[in-house]
Amino acid sequence: GQSLEQPSEVTAVEGAIVQINCTYQTSGFYGLSWYQQHDGGAPTFLSYNALDGLEETGRFSSFLSRSDSYGYLLLQELQMKDSASYFCAVRDNYGQNFVFGPGTRLSVLP
Amino acid sequence: NAGVTQTPKFQVLKTGQSMTLQCAQDMNHEYMSWYRQDPGMGLRLIHYSVGAGITDQGEVPNGYNVSRSTTEDFPLRLLSAAPSQTSVYFCASSMTGALFSGNTIYFGEGSWLTVV
Repeated sequence: GQSLEQPSEVTAVEGAIVQINCTYQTSGFYGLSWYQQHDGGAPTFLSYNALDGLEETGRFSSFLSRSDSYGYLLLQELQMKDSASYFCAVRDNYGQNFVFGPGTRLSVLP
Repeated sequence: NAGVTQTPKFQVLKTGQSMTLQCAQDMNHEYMSWYRQDPGMGLRLIHYSVGAGITDQGEVPNGYNVSRSTTEDFPLRLLSAAPSQTSVYFCASSMTGALFSGNTIYFGEGSWLTVV
């Protein structure tokens, strides 16, 4: 089956850069995705990597290394509104179900 | 631009009662699923469907039923509510997957269910 590991918590200050790591185990690979979830809200899509390398979307970037089964989400110029939980996700062997990591809670301090 | 719509947003049930959480999407997605999320926890898959008339079990299916009579709708039924089913439930939809396509899953706003 699939399994993903992420740090449970990360704390950083406004304006800083933070990296959230994700390691995964999966038999069939359909890319690595990242989702953001604010307290009381639904997860929303942030970024997706199908191939090795860096994908940039504004202040957020995501990186993938398929040979290492590893990816990370990079958040730059942190803002208070970035305080949320962040989940990495892969699809299962058949490209159907999304399997989510346990989530990393990011706290941004003033 | 509705996306995924689920109702109700909040519900309190007594132990043993049954209820249905409704979910509809207007993006013509083949794949739909239900997750539950417990406090401080990740998302656990309850049931999923890859098209009308096709459903299957996820990680935690016990106590829940689903059906998929149309592409748009995917209701989740709690058969006999138990306090252990107190949770936040998310309906989600996506295109079916392959590399470079269908790798975004869209969530409804969530349904907060309390069983007393």
